[in-house]
Amino acid sequence: GQNIDQPTEMTATEGAIVQINCTYQTSGFNGLFWYQQHAGEAPTFLSYNVLDGLEEKGRFSSFLSRSKGYSYLLLKELQMKDSASYLCASSDSNYQLIWGAGTKLIIKP
Amino acid sequence: IAGITQAPTSQILAAGRRMTLRCTQDMRHNAMYWYRQDLGLGLRLIHYSNTAGTTGKGEVPDGYSVSRANTDDFPLTLASAVPSQTSVYFCASSEGNSYNEQFFGPGTRLTVL
Repeated sequence: GQNIDQPTEMTATEGAIVQINCTYQTSGFNGLFWYQQHAGEAPTFLSYNVLDGLEEKGRFSSFLSRSKGYSYLLLKELQMKDSASYLCASSDSNYQLIWGAGTKLIIKP
Repeated sequence: IAGITQAPTSQILAAGRRMTLRCTQDMRHNAMYWYRQDLGLGLRLIHYSNTAGTTGKGEVPDGYSVSRANTDDFPLTLASAVPSQTSVYFCASSEGNSYNEQFFGPGTRLTVL
């Protein structure tokens, strides 16, 4: 079956670094997406990885290991506005996105 | 218009009623999608369309229908609403159906009583 696992909730301190993990099992694999979703709003695209390794984009980085079915999103220099849910999604053999339930990130001052 | 719009923003509906959720994009994207989002669950694909004139079933299509008469519009219809269809519905689009990020509309919050 197809499955995406990520922690339900994480708490971190303003200015710190947090890593949100995601493991995936999908029929075929065409890349791994991370989206950010603030409460009551639509998801917005953060990153896409299809090759192994780390992709850095400002304060956010995303890592992929295809052999382990594993990805993480790294957020540095946390700001209060980073409080949101972070959604991991795997693109399967039909290029459909299979979504995790999301990780709610709470930032404390 | 810039991006994707959805209407209505929210709706309370009596069970058994017919309802159409509207979605329009102005990015000339080929692919469009309808998802529902429920607490504790990931986004689940209801129906999709890879290009105008074609549609396909997603993970949870029962009780829903779609049409794609042109590139811009992708309405979702609930023929006879049931309480289990209470959810937040998101429409999304992407340039193609492969390595392209999906852009989401603001969502429709639907309550079926």
